[in-house]
Amino acid sequence: GAGVSQSPSNKVTEKGKDVELRCDPISGHTALYWYRQSLGQGLEFLIYFQGNSAPDKSGLPSDRFSAERTGGSVSTLTIQRTQQEDSAVYLCASRPGLARGLDTQYFGPGTRLTVL
Amino acid sequence: KQEVTQIPAALSVPEGENLVLNCSFTDSAIYNLQWFRQDPGKGLTSLLLIQSSQREQTSGRLNASLDKSSGRSTLYIAASQPGDSATYLCAVTRGGTSYGKLTFGQGTILTVHP
Repeated sequence: GAGVSQSPSNKVTEKGKDVELRCDPISGHTALYWYRQSLGQGLEFLIYFQGNSAPDKSGLPSDRFSAERTGGSVSTLTIQRTQQEDSAVYLCASRPGLARGLDTQYFGPGTRLTVL
Repeated sequence: KQEVTQIPAALSVPEGENLVLNCSFTDSAIYNLQWFRQDPGKGLTSLLLIQSSQREQTSGRLNASLDKSSGRSTLYIAASQPGDSATYLCAVTRGGTSYGKLTFGQGTILTVHP
């Protein structure tokens, strides 16, 4: 079946502009995560959605970052007033459920964001 | 705060060698540990997941062990092949409200040359 997909694959924007990154998780997966991979920081957790529960936003680096998940499926990560330090690869992952044995995370190919 | 360290940062071996990648973590209260592979310009592929109650997992030529009390895991790759060349990442999760959030190491860049 289809894996996690992300769009766009590459995004170049100018400093100060807003960007939206999209993630389509594997159908039926209840949990969705966003991570950021940058040269200086490695892979970092950003935000976590589980079913209809309030998202865990503890990894978002500033209030310029926000994310939503509509209908328990597609998620959009929005970065407002982008800065050069936001340049990174943004990875989305989904997981089947909460129980033991369902906790392998499946990653998308990522969106490479470059802020000029 | 959980910190994950991977040693070595890079490794170059001839084809056919057996090799070991190391991962250590500072907080032993983990829920599980995963090993991932990342190819250049690609996302992550899960290789093995070890629950906190388990000691090891095997998949083909890969074997991952976990010593939770000492905060260590190893990934053993047998009879390495050029196609194994990639970055290998170790990640741990906690339970409770942190459920599923992965904390990653910096990775080991593996090159297997013919």
